[in-house]
Amino acid sequence: DQQVKQNSPSLSVQEGRISILNCDYTNSMFDYFLWYKKYPAEGPTFLISISSIKDKNEDGRFTVFLNKSAKHLSLHIVPSQPGDSAVYFCAASFSTQGGSEKLVFGKGTKLTVNP
Amino acid sequence: KAGVTQTPRYLIKTRGQQVTLSCSPISGHRSVSWYQQTPGQGLQFLFEYFSETQRNKGNFPGRFSGRQFSNSRSEMNVSTLELGDSALYLCASSFGSAETQYFGPGTRLLVL
Repeated sequence: DQQVKQNSPSLSVQEGRISILNCDYTNSMFDYFLWYKKYPAEGPTFLISISSIKDKNEDGRFTVFLNKSAKHLSLHIVPSQPGDSAVYFCAASFSTQGGSEKLVFGKGTKLTVNP
Repeated sequence: KAGVTQTPRYLIKTRGQQVTLSCSPISGHRSVSWYQQTPGQGLQFLFEYFSETQRNKGNFPGRFSGRQFSNSRSEMNVSTLELGDSALYLCASSFGSAETQYFGPGTRLLVL
């Protein structure tokens, strides 16, 4: 059961344009959402996050939007740069019965930014 | 501050063997989580350790096990290796919980 879904395995955009990466989730208990970026041969690195009580969080060229009613979040990168080419993972966390938080990842979207 | 380190970086084993992977978290981090990444499956959660106790567990068979030591270093073990265990195994540490995990570079395991 895929609780976090990234339906686009790949995305290609031109340098300078906007990149929009989408993510859908099914579990209403998720209370925190994160985006990670992964280059080949490296571990994922944290990019940006958003709490479920917000609908937007911005950090430089990166903005994450959360639509709780649609159970959908998106990552906008403006303007896109060739160095942004990587695999982007959407992740969501929820609190377990024991009080800890569990992180669930999507399958990732490979973004290619063409010069 | 040093990042998360994982050893070894690459490993080749044959079916039926067992393997132990090691992870050293960022200094001060007490939570260590392990993930398996395979093409098309994304990152699948294996387990999380906090203060030497397994706190969460994913849906993997009992062949996958782990432990955490008093210095927060963690090991994961896979026994009776199968071809399908070939993957990148990632370790992540965080200060307390899953708020922001910091990943190591991973150990790429190939099972022949």
